[in-house]
Amino acid sequence: GAVVSQHPSWVICKSGTSVKIECRSLDFQATTMFWYRQFPKQSLMLMATSNEGSKATYEQGVEKDKFLINHASLTLSTLTVTSAHPEDSSFYICSAFGQNQPQHFGDGTRLSIL
Amino acid sequence: RKEVEQDPGPFNVPEGATVAFNCTYSNSASQSFFWYRQDCRKEPKLLMSVYSSGNEDGRFTAQLNRASQYISLLIRDSKLSDSATYLCVVNPFTGGGNKLTFGTGTQLKVEL
Repeated sequence: GAVVSQHPSWVICKSGTSVKIECRSLDFQATTMFWYRQFPKQSLMLMATSNEGSKATYEQGVEKDKFLINHASLTLSTLTVTSAHPEDSSFYICSAFGQNQPQHFGDGTRLSIL
Repeated sequence: RKEVEQDPGPFNVPEGATVAFNCTYSNSASQSFFWYRQDCRKEPKLLMSVYSSGNEDGRFTAQLNRASQYISLLIRDSKLSDSATYLCVVNPFTGGGNKLTFGTGTQLKVEL
C-alpha cells in the first residue's frame, strides 16, 4: 500500500488562484520531505527540501515567495503555489524520507492553470 | 553538462528482446545510484539500487562503473508491461540528506 499520500491528485483552476498540495507520510515519521516538479518530457527537478520544524531550503531559481512550503509535523508537508499562472502548470511530486526508511514518493499532483 | 544524462529514446523493442540503457553522471563524488521506473502520468517507483559489484533482480541487471561514471540497466526477455520510462537517479554527496538528481529518462516501448 501507499506509504506517502499526496492530495489532490488533479487540480484545474483559473489563473491567479492559489493552490495547496498536501503530502502525508503514512506509517512513518518523515523528517525530510522533498518537493519536485516535472514538465512534460523532462526530468524531475527538485524544488525544495522541507525539514520538519524549520524553513524549507529552496533550489536555485525557485521562488520561495511563490512556492510556500510548510512542514509543521512529522507526517505532513504542504506546498502552496501562490497566484498560479499557466506557466506553473506541471506535475508536482513529493517524497518523504525518515529514519530507517528509503525515500518514498507520493503519487503526484497534476496542476493545470487555465 | 547535465548532472545525469540519459538517451531519451524511445527504444521500441519486440517482446522477448534484451535491451540496455546507459546513463552517465558528472559528480564523481556521488554516493548512491538507482534506477526508477515511471509510467505515464504517474510517480517514479524504485526499480533497483545499483552497486559497484553489479546486481541482478530477476530479468533486470544493473551495473556501475565509478571510474567512467557510467551506470547501465539491462532488461532481458522484455514484457509488454516493461513499457515505461526508466530514470537514472543519483544521490550526489552533499554532506547529508537524500537529495536525488534525476536523469530525463529513457522511454521503452515493448511491442508484440
